[in-house]
Amino acid sequence: DVKVTQSSRYLVKRTGEKVFLECVQDMDHENMFWYRQDPGLGLRLIYFSYDVKMKEKGDIPEGYSVSREKKERFSLILESASTNQTSMYLCASSLGSPGDYGYTFGSGTRLTVV
Amino acid sequence: GQQLNQSPQSMFIQEGEDVSMNCTSSSIFNTWLWYKQDPGEGPVLLIALYKAGELTSNGRLTAQFGITRKDSFLNISASIPSDVGIYFCAGQLWGGSEKLVFGKGMKLTVNP
Repeated sequence: DVKVTQSSRYLVKRTGEKVFLECVQDMDHENMFWYRQDPGLGLRLIYFSYDVKMKEKGDIPEGYSVSREKKERFSLILESASTNQTSMYLCASSLGSPGDYGYTFGSGTRLTVV
Repeated sequence: GQQLNQSPQSMFIQEGEDVSMNCTSSSIFNTWLWYKQDPGEGPVLLIALYKAGELTSNGRLTAQFGITRKDSFLNISASIPSDVGIYFCAGQLWGGSEKLVFGKGMKLTVNP
């Protein structure tokens, strides 16, 4: 089975810190995605990447950046964490068109910014 | 960004009851997917639908791809406590896209 691994399940960071969320997938998927999940708002796309060194803004990119130096790894960076970035962050990957096989999600990172 | 209209937003049911939920859109989709998210975990794919009118089952779950390509529904029969979680619909827009469009989710609570 494809596995998407997020490096941390829980993180607590201070306001103003630079935060790195790491995601690794082990099945050579081209596409990778970062979402945040908040109650009542569903899944909101932050950034996605369809190839190494390529990135596209999603619906809520402000305050975030991403890095994809290797095909298997997609990092989400909070340049200066703020309390309104407290959320559940989900990484996902897909092989080719997501309509063919859907996304495979990681288990999520619950980030609390204090 | 675009989101699917998923309803209901939440349900509280007794064990053994059936559950129905649906997703609608003003846009046409070429694929519909249903995911389940257990508490504290990431969503997991339950069912994928690829043709208008398609009816697909996975155990106690049944899903259909609407004839108009603008909607889909999911039924869960004879619910059990482990059905608790959030159910998401997702779709790939007609014409193809690298991204899926998601509904906001339906939170299911099952009372034993």
